[in-house]
Amino acid sequence: DTGVSQDPRHKITKRGQNVTFRCDPISEHNRLYWYRQTLGQGPEFLTYFQNEAQLEKSRLLSDRFSAERPKGSFSTLEIQRTEQGDSAMYLCASGRRETNEKLFFGSGTQLSVL
Amino acid sequence: DQQVKQNSPSLSVQEGRISILNCDYTNSMFDYFLWYKKYPAEGPTFLISISSIKDKNEDGRFTVFLNKSAKHLSLHIVPSQPGDSAVYFCAAVVSNDYKLSFGAGTTVTVRA
Repeated sequence: DTGVSQDPRHKITKRGQNVTFRCDPISEHNRLYWYRQTLGQGPEFLTYFQNEAQLEKSRLLSDRFSAERPKGSFSTLEIQRTEQGDSAMYLCASGRRETNEKLFFGSGTQLSVL
Repeated sequence: DQQVKQNSPSLSVQEGRISILNCDYTNSMFDYFLWYKKYPAEGPTFLISISSIKDKNEDGRFTVFLNKSAKHLSLHIVPSQPGDSAVYFCAAVVSNDYKLSFGAGTTVTVRA
């Protein structure tokens, strides 16, 4: 069981730079989610894929954020022109349609924007 | 709009005693509830869940109670062990939806 893996684990960037994160879900999972967590808060939903289709984006996700899941396998989350307010833990999760509610999370990518 | 609330940010309990974590929700459409546990530098891991058709679900040392009329659920850990020290998140979902809504978490510290 390889679990959900995320890369990188940590990212430090300067304000205005672009960053990209990668998520590899559990192979048989057709649903993939991105969540964001800030200190003292629970994970907040950002976006959701079923296979390769992005079915929903949260209002939290500004135009600077874009996510893809080509071929319904791994996913990438890109943040353009990063701002200090983007500093957070970005969590990827995957699940199966049959067990919709039970999500499996990766260890996250901790982003620090200086 | 915070639909799931955990009003106690922290809880300290002695090893061997019971830990009780509370969670309230506002959305009456929620019909499935979950607890996740998170260690530092790791993602949340699923702990236990309950459907709205039940009022109790038990798994080993962990029991979740649901009071639909009060829109309240709780997680009981008996007996508490040092390895239980972690952040616990309450989450809720509408079954035909796909988005979990999380509370802010409760940090549990189990004292030896």
